[in-house]
Amino acid sequence: EAQVTQNPRYLITVTGKKLTVTCSQNMNHEYMSWYRQDPGLGLRQIYYSMNVEVTDKGDVPEGYKVSRKEKRNFPLILESPSPNQTSLYFCASSFTRETGANVLTFGAGSRLTVL
Amino acid sequence: AQSVTQPDIHITVSEGASLELRCNYSYGATPYLFWYVQSPGQGLQLLLKYFSGDTLVQGIKGFEAEFKRSQSSFNLRKPSVHWSDAAEYFCAVGARTGFQKLVFGTGTRLLVSP
Repeated sequence: EAQVTQNPRYLITVTGKKLTVTCSQNMNHEYMSWYRQDPGLGLRQIYYSMNVEVTDKGDVPEGYKVSRKEKRNFPLILESPSPNQTSLYFCASSFTRETGANVLTFGAGSRLTVL
Repeated sequence: AQSVTQPDIHITVSEGASLELRCNYSYGATPYLFWYVQSPGQGLQLLLKYFSGDTLVQGIKGFEAEFKRSQSSFNLRKPSVHWSDAAEYFCAVGARTGFQKLVFGTGTRLLVSP
């Protein structure tokens, strides 16, 4: 089954304790992206990757890191989490169109609470 | 820069009644347009998209949306709502050239009353 898999689905952590949210897709998609969803703000893009070893900042990258060493994986790293990073996180992927945006396939989400 | 406005935060509709969710966008040209649905505890699922051609687009689960260039709108409709349609709905726009990014609206939560 074609899917985007995120882990963990739920996590409670404490301020400053490094954590990684993994994302893996089995569709051979070039494009991958991380979004965070907050009430009243919708989905905001954190980082994206156009292909292996190609990553760039989205709209709200502060406090996050990513890497794209393999095509299928795009982990989101919080080096020193803070309470304002408490949110619902989504990973998404798509093929890269010759030009313009494409349909995203989303993971089920990872709910993170930072105490 | 692209932006999307969904003016209704919550909408309550009786089961069997018709539904229209509003979406307005700001973009320098005609963008690609999408509607996604998020059921409780789930990720986002594509309902429908508009890339070109017929401005009335049919999607899954009996939904449709109409692109109106003059109003910069892409409203989502369904003639008869079912209880299982209760969810959060997101409109999104994407550029036609260059950048792959989608910009999402803030979402509309649909409640379905018996």
